[in-house]
Amino acid sequence: QKEVEQDPGPLSVPEGAIVSLNCTYSNSAFQYFMWYRQYSRKGPELLMYTYSSGNKEDGRFTAQVDKSSKYISLFIRDSQPSDSATYLCAMSAEGSYGKLTFGQGTILTVHP
Amino acid sequence: GAGVSQSPSNKVTEKGKDVELRCDPISGHTALYWYRQSLGQGLEFLIYFQGNSAPDKSGLPSDRFSAERTGGSVSTLTIQRTQQEDSAVYLCASSSAGGGTQYFGPGTRLTVL
Repeated sequence: QKEVEQDPGPLSVPEGAIVSLNCTYSNSAFQYFMWYRQYSRKGPELLMYTYSSGNKEDGRFTAQVDKSSKYISLFIRDSQPSDSATYLCAMSAEGSYGKLTFGQGTILTVHP
Repeated sequence: GAGVSQSPSNKVTEKGKDVELRCDPISGHTALYWYRQSLGQGLEFLIYFQGNSAPDKSGLPSDRFSAERTGGSVSTLTIQRTQQEDSAVYLCASSSAGGGTQYFGPGTRLTVL
């Protein structure tokens, strides 16, 4: 079993929909949680970063971390066609923050 | 400023040959990372350099894989005696400090025939 599980989708939604992306993990040492967005043939780019539990909001994006359930989420409000990409969750442990463990990635398509 | 650059963008090689992949990190970034992205395996950590410290090589899949970072800047990932299962996109990232935000390059797509 992988340390980080992420539903690969694909997920297809209409423009304006609320999108929910999720990851579960098994390593209780993970303290740093990230969401990356990757467009086709490009490297991943950091979207959201959260330390330990809680919520963080940035524009249309909200990241949630529930350490008790080992579950993290990314919500995208008012989704746009430009949000169409692969979304990867990533996490790392205290003292090993440079070594990211990624989920498989979820392919999202937002159609007009 | 310039981001992380990688070369070549694509590499096709024959099974058994050696390949070298290059990464130029963002100027001033002290930490450099290599990852591999393949279908079915997702994005896997390979190796991490931080300043003058010994690199964390815990993700290298076999002794055919090695990496070096010269002068604290450019890094080369070398795969010896390539196998078909080495086919993947190899991504490099850098950060201003160990554990800082990692900025990724566009990757090198390696195909082993």
